[in-house]
Amino acid sequence: DAKTTQPTSMDCAEGRAANLPCNHSTISGNEYVYWYRQIHSQGPQYIIHGLKNNETNEMASLIITEDRKSSTLILPHATLRDTAVYYCIVRPSYNTDKLIFGTGTRLQVFP
Amino acid sequence: GAVVSQHPSRVICKSGTSVKIECRSLDFQATTMFWYRQFPKQSLMLMATSNEGSKATYEQGVEKDKFLINHASLTLSTLTVTSAHPEDSSFYICSARARGSPSNYGYTFGSGTRLTVV
Repeated sequence: DAKTTQPTSMDCAEGRAANLPCNHSTISGNEYVYWYRQIHSQGPQYIIHGLKNNETNEMASLIITEDRKSSTLILPHATLRDTAVYYCIVRPSYNTDKLIFGTGTRLQVFP
Repeated sequence: GAVVSQHPSRVICKSGTSVKIECRSLDFQATTMFWYRQFPKQSLMLMATSNEGSKATYEQGVEKDKFLINHASLTLSTLTVTSAHPEDSSFYICSARARGSPSNYGYTFGSGTRLTVV
């Protein structure tokens, strides 16, 4: 699976958009970008995934650059409940093996 | 959606005793389960992968005789920390993968177990 690089921490004001970047310059053509988050003392939660097109669901939007070497997770209107560690993971969709987590980005949403 | 129930959520035990953690898939059959450990302010570290009816595969550095994993049915996997010591104190999380589910979002996580060994 390709390596990812994320900032260690970020802050965001409540109600504003939170933009979390992820670099994955060694991504292969068959690898998807997945985002999970972990709220303190809970198990990780799936957020969104994408291959090359931008994706949106009820939780977030995922913007992938045209060269696919980086992506941004967007929480359009961050709330205090979005305070969590966000993990960007790159892997093939057919890979049914273990899910490996990096260090992630600790997002702090403040009032 | 898929739900994984993990129990207990919190346990305190004395050094030298054993602790069992259960992970149940409530509305799907989990052919594969994963066990993670997480120390404070660190990321999740995979300990082992277990497939129903077969022996678990442990990651490098994880003692299989200390962390016993049983995946006897498609809905239940257990992790037993044997002869626990204070350094085993950690947050343990299970993850289940459903039979035939796409890799995209086929991983469902339990809520975790906070183990404190005193």
